[in-house]
Amino acid sequence: EDKVVQSPLSLVVHEGDTVTLNCSYEVTNFRSLLWYKQEKKAPTFLFMLTSSGIEKKSGRLSSILDKKELSSILNITATQTGDSAIYLCAVACTQGGSEKLVFGKGTKLTVNP
Amino acid sequence: SQTIHQWPATLVQPVGSPLSLECTVEGTSNPNLYWYRQAAGRGLQLLFYSVGIGQISSEVPQNLSASRPQDRQFILSSKKLLLSDSGFYLCAWNRDRITDTQYFGPGTRLTVL
Repeated sequence: EDKVVQSPLSLVVHEGDTVTLNCSYEVTNFRSLLWYKQEKKAPTFLFMLTSSGIEKKSGRLSSILDKKELSSILNITATQTGDSAIYLCAVACTQGGSEKLVFGKGTKLTVNP
Repeated sequence: SQTIHQWPATLVQPVGSPLSLECTVEGTSNPNLYWYRQAAGRGLQLLFYSVGIGQISSEVPQNLSASRPQDRQFILSSKKLLLSDSGFYLCAWNRDRITDTQYFGPGTRLTVL
């Protein structure tokens, strides 16, 4: 069974801290790994990673994929209260000719002022 | 640009009542469409996906059903709701074999009493 495991499940930090969120996976027919940020409603897309070792960066957020270790990390530097959200990791895999996303349970990040 | 709509935004229904949630996508044709449920403390669970009109794949056996009567319309239904059907229902879309990124609608918060 395809599965995605995220750690930690929750994290509380102070503004200015740097955090690292982890995602590991076991899937067949891996295509890519995606990170989403979910604040109150719909998840919003952050990154898609397909190649091992290449860092994707957007402002204070960055992510990298390690296909050998079947894992990815999401880093957030100089955290702000607006970074408080649930961060979802999902792995895209192909089954029966269609693409599916298998989601982890998410990491709930709380950034205190 | 593409837009995905869901309605209603919130719904409170008694146990045993029927359900109909609607999702429509604008600005694209022949999308893959997905229904997810997010229960409290759990990750996103894929319920159904569709690669075309009338084509529905079910991921989890339950008392829910889905239909795709038009290319950009996806409907989630139930004849009799259970308490366990409460949750946050998200519709998502992507383009087959072009990108794995799924884009989510605003969601429907369903409470079954």
